[in-house]
Amino acid sequence: DAGVIQSPRHEVTEMGQEVTLRCKLISGHNSLFWYRQTMMRGLELLIYFNNNVPIDDSGMPEDRFSAKMPNASFSTLKIQPSEPRDSAVYFCASSTGGVRDAFFGQGTRLTVV
Amino acid sequence: TQLLEQSPQFLSIQEGENLTVYCNSSSVFSSLQWYRQEPGEGPVLLVTVVTGGEVKKLKRLTFQFGDARKDSSLHITAAQPGDTGLYLCAGYSGGSNYKLTFGKGTLLTVNP
Repeated sequence: DAGVIQSPRHEVTEMGQEVTLRCKLISGHNSLFWYRQTMMRGLELLIYFNNNVPIDDSGMPEDRFSAKMPNASFSTLKIQPSEPRDSAVYFCASSTGGVRDAFFGQGTRLTVV
Repeated sequence: TQLLEQSPQFLSIQEGENLTVYCNSSSVFSSLQWYRQEPGEGPVLLVTVVTGGEVKKLKRLTFQFGDARKDSSLHITAAQPGDTGLYLCAGYSGGSNYKLTFGKGTLLTVNP
């Protein structure tokens, strides 16, 4: 049974470029969480979707970040334009309900140079 | 803002040794979770503790929730190289079902 699938696993981009991270939820899950992990700040919730609707985006750092769920099984996180301080590992997680039952993907390591 | 402080930040031990890592807060949580994150992977849930004073065992791992539900500990007996990873605690306060407060983790290395 496939878990949460993220792509790409690694992304290196130049400052100012657009970056799109992708996430495929576990089949049947209806809650989607995007997190960012850094050494300094640990794991931070960026945005939470339930049934394709963004419920809380208060963790999105600024307008350069946007997230969508075009359908029930897929989500994207876009950064435009990217900056070196966006370098981090980005995780998505999905569940059938709350975050305590969520399964994490393997993450995308983003490096902005 | 609720914070979870984990200690130690780094721990390197030899195979067969015992260890304890801690997760502390000044806030009360309705439940607390422990995750293990291996290099290049996402966090994987190990256990959820709900009741103050609760102790749960998972093979060689023993988890305890403090009586006041502000702190927790993870004890590993006879550590093995396969236990290597980042151990994260995460607290849930109730209310919104989507908000967890994560600690920054303890990075454990078990040397053969």
